[in-house]
Amino acid sequence: KQEVTQIPAALSVPEGENLVLNCSFTDSAIYNLQWFRQDPGKGLTSLLLIQSSQREQTSGRLNASLDKSSGRSTLYIAASQPGDSATYLCAVMLLLILTGGGNKLTFGTGTQLKVEL
Amino acid sequence: EAGVAQSPRYKIIEKRQSVAFWCNPISGHATLYWYQQILGQGPKLLIQFQNNGVVDDSQLPKDRFSAERLKGVDSTLKIQPAKLEDSAVYLCASSLAGAKLYEQYFGPGTRLTVT
Repeated sequence: KQEVTQIPAALSVPEGENLVLNCSFTDSAIYNLQWFRQDPGKGLTSLLLIQSSQREQTSGRLNASLDKSSGRSTLYIAASQPGDSATYLCAVMLLLILTGGGNKLTFGTGTQLKVEL
Repeated sequence: EAGVAQSPRYKIIEKRQSVAFWCNPISGHATLYWYQQILGQGPKLLIQFQNNGVVDDSQLPKDRFSAERLKGVDSTLKIQPAKLEDSAVYLCASSLAGAKLYEQYFGPGTRLTVT
């Protein structure tokens, strides 16, 4: 059974700091890994998607890396801003189509980030 | 492009009552998902539809939860009867096979409180 762990559970940093969020997963047979952002009372917004054959993806101030063999991913946020305050979730996808299943996303419990002025 | 729509946004009911949630996926998305997110946890997949067929409902508590997607577009999720532990945000997502294969797009969710 796939388990996804995110560390730390909560993080508070001053504005402008660079930071790293960590995600680890137990089953390396993943199809892809996604990082999401969730604002209070809102749904999930996809930030970055890394296919299993890729090592990293970048979007603006965000960079996500994937090391499938060790079961780890990191989300790097450069020059953090108060608007980055949110909960960040990572999720791994297993492709079950060959066995008659769907494409299953398993989520971590998230890292709650607060960027202070 | 319109996103995934869900209604209602909030619902408060008493235990043992029934409740239904509605989801309209992004136009053309064949795959639809319902997730349950309990406070402080990540979302957990309840059921996945491919068009109007179920491909995974292994984590759906079938004694009280049901879901349907009759015409392969909109979907409803029902809880009957509700328990206190069903208090959660219910998220709907959809995905389209293509360039961003299997990337899931989420709606705003329905926050259910069972008292």
